[in-house]
Amino acid sequence: EAQVTQNPRYLITVTGKKLTVTCSQNMNHEYMSWYRQDPGLGLRQIYYSMNVEVTDKGDVPEGYKVSRKEKRNFPLILESPSPNQTSLYFCASSLSPDSRKNIQYFGAGTRLSVL
Amino acid sequence: AQSVTQPDIHITVSEGASLELRCNYSYGATPYLFWYVQSPGQGLQLLLKYFSGDTLVQGIKGFEAEFKRSQSSFNLRKPSVHWSDAAEYFCAVGLTDKLIFGTGTRLQVFP
Repeated sequence: EAQVTQNPRYLITVTGKKLTVTCSQNMNHEYMSWYRQDPGLGLRQIYYSMNVEVTDKGDVPEGYKVSRKEKRNFPLILESPSPNQTSLYFCASSLSPDSRKNIQYFGAGTRLSVL
Repeated sequence: AQSVTQPDIHITVSEGASLELRCNYSYGATPYLFWYVQSPGQGLQLLLKYFSGDTLVQGIKGFEAEFKRSQSSFNLRKPSVHWSDAAEYFCAVGLTDKLIFGTGTRLQVFP
């Protein structure tokens, strides 16, 4: 089954404790992206990757890191989480990089709480 | 700058009633438009998309949307709402490197 898999689905942590949220897709997609969803703000892009070893900042990249060493995986790293990073996070992928014509497929989301 | 506005934060309808969710966009060229639905505890699922051609677009689950260039709108409609349609709905415009989302409309359905 074609899917984007995020882990964990729920995570509670404390300020400053490094964490990684994994994202994997099995559709051989070139493009992957991370969004965060906050009430009243919709979804905002954090980072994206057009292909292996190619990543770029989105609209809200501060406090986050990503890597794309393999085509299928795109982990999101919070080196020193802070309470303002409490949010619902979504990973997405699409066949090719142009988001105008390519449908993005979303994971089920990771709800993160930073205390 | 490109943007998407969903004026209605929360809409409540009775089951069986018709539905229209509003979406307005700001984009300099021909827009590529999407509607996604997020059911409780789920990821986002694509309902329909508009790239070009016929301005009335049919999607899944009985939804349709109409692109109106003169009004910069892409409103989502359904003739008869089911209780399972209760969810949050997002309109988005596609750029080369990302989707820009509206703030979402939460739909509540009463029996």
